[in-house]
Amino acid sequence: KAGVTQTPRYLIKTRGQQVTLSCSPISGHRSVSWYQQTPGQGLQFLFEYFSETQRNKGNFPGRFSGRQFSNSRSEMNVSTLELGDSALYLCASSLEGKQAFFGQGTRLTVV
Amino acid sequence: AQSVSQHNHHVILSEAASLELGCNYSYGGTVNLFWYVQYPGQHLQLLLKYFSGDPLVKGIKGFEAEFIKSKFSFNLRKPSVQWSDTAEYFCAVRGEVGGSYIPTFGRGTSLIVHP
Repeated sequence: KAGVTQTPRYLIKTRGQQVTLSCSPISGHRSVSWYQQTPGQGLQFLFEYFSETQRNKGNFPGRFSGRQFSNSRSEMNVSTLELGDSALYLCASSLEGKQAFFGQGTRLTVV
Repeated sequence: AQSVSQHNHHVILSEAASLELGCNYSYGGTVNLFWYVQYPGQHLQLLLKYFSGDPLVKGIKGFEAEFIKSKFSFNLRKPSVQWSDTAEYFCAVRGEVGGSYIPTFGRGTSLIVHP
């Protein structure tokens, strides 16, 4: 069974730009969660989608948004990028929203 | 607010030594508890989890953790570590916050095991 796939693996963007990250969950998993990992703040929960609906949301500004498609694939968008948005963005999928299986992450660098 | 504290940021052990990584959380309600591991160059993966029942939980690769409700703790243990256990370990708590079920992770503990 294929694992969670995130694309792209690496990304460099300029301040003020926007970025879209993609996540393909494990087949059959309907829950997709997104996390931001930085050396200073550790792993922080962004949001969770289940059946195309945002089910849970962490404490991030509105510049961070996401969506989920009918095939459970999810995208995360960050608008008006700031230097502090540089991080590893992780996606995790799960059955019934409990045990999460993580992808390799997308390393975003904002310059 | 929900928070997770991992007491040890860096741990260095020799092979065959015993391991205990501390994890304390603050949350007043029912929680699910997890330990995740991230081996060098690999993605995060689940070591073990506690939802309910027996507070002593056994996970993969000989790891176990004990949930002590009165101490708000969920410490990870392994009686004899191996070089291949070198990794970053994360404790996580999932509880209800303002109507949402938010997973909160600790900052992680970097474990280095010398052969």
